[in-house]
Amino acid sequence: GESVGLHLPTLSVQEGDNSIINCAYSNSASDYFIWYKQESGKGPQFIIDIRSNMDKRQGQRVTVLLNKTVKHLSLQIAATQPGDSAVYFCAENRAGGTSYGKLTFGQGTILTVHP
Amino acid sequence: NAGVTQTPKFQVLKTGQSMTLQCAQDMNHEYMSWYRQDPGMGLRLIHYSVGAGITDQGEVPNGYNVSRSTTEDFPLRLLSAAPSQTSVYFCASSPLSGGFSYEQYFGPGTRLTVT
Repeated sequence: GESVGLHLPTLSVQEGDNSIINCAYSNSASDYFIWYKQESGKGPQFIIDIRSNMDKRQGQRVTVLLNKTVKHLSLQIAATQPGDSAVYFCAENRAGGTSYGKLTFGQGTILTVHP
Repeated sequence: NAGVTQTPKFQVLKTGQSMTLQCAQDMNHEYMSWYRQDPGMGLRLIHYSVGAGITDQGEVPNGYNVSRSTTEDFPLRLLSAAPSQTSVYFCASSPLSGGFSYEQYFGPGTRLTVT
């Protein structure tokens, strides 16, 4: 069933450190994964995505790792900055058929970066 | 481009009232969707559309109606508001590639309170 917790996982880091945010996904048929960043009072903002035929993808200061064996996804942020403070969501989708954009979102992780 | 716009930003309704949340995008995206976000939770899909005249239900469609008469607009109607519909509502859009929606662009959200 769905967890209804009001307490999101949190990660606190110092400015300049590397951050790793983890996500366990639920559907072994999912083949598209995406990370979003959500700042307070704003809509989610795309960070990076990855297809299931890859196990790693790099962007600017961010890397996503995918482990399909254990259904685990991680987001690595290099040289974390105060502006990275936000809630980070992973989402999964299954390509093909009529799945279209039916993203299933995780609960989210609060990242706090201390100067 | 204005991207995805939503109105109103805030709304308070009494139980039983109806209203329409507006969503518009100027990117000529085929795919549009509505999500709700409750405290401490990820986004849950309410309804989606893959083009004008085509809509379908998401994970939590009860109590909501949608229509898609144009590519640009995708309004969400609350038929008879209930306190359980107190939430933040996000509209998103994306192009379809090979029938699949990848990165979705989110609007700023509408914060709805039902008393």
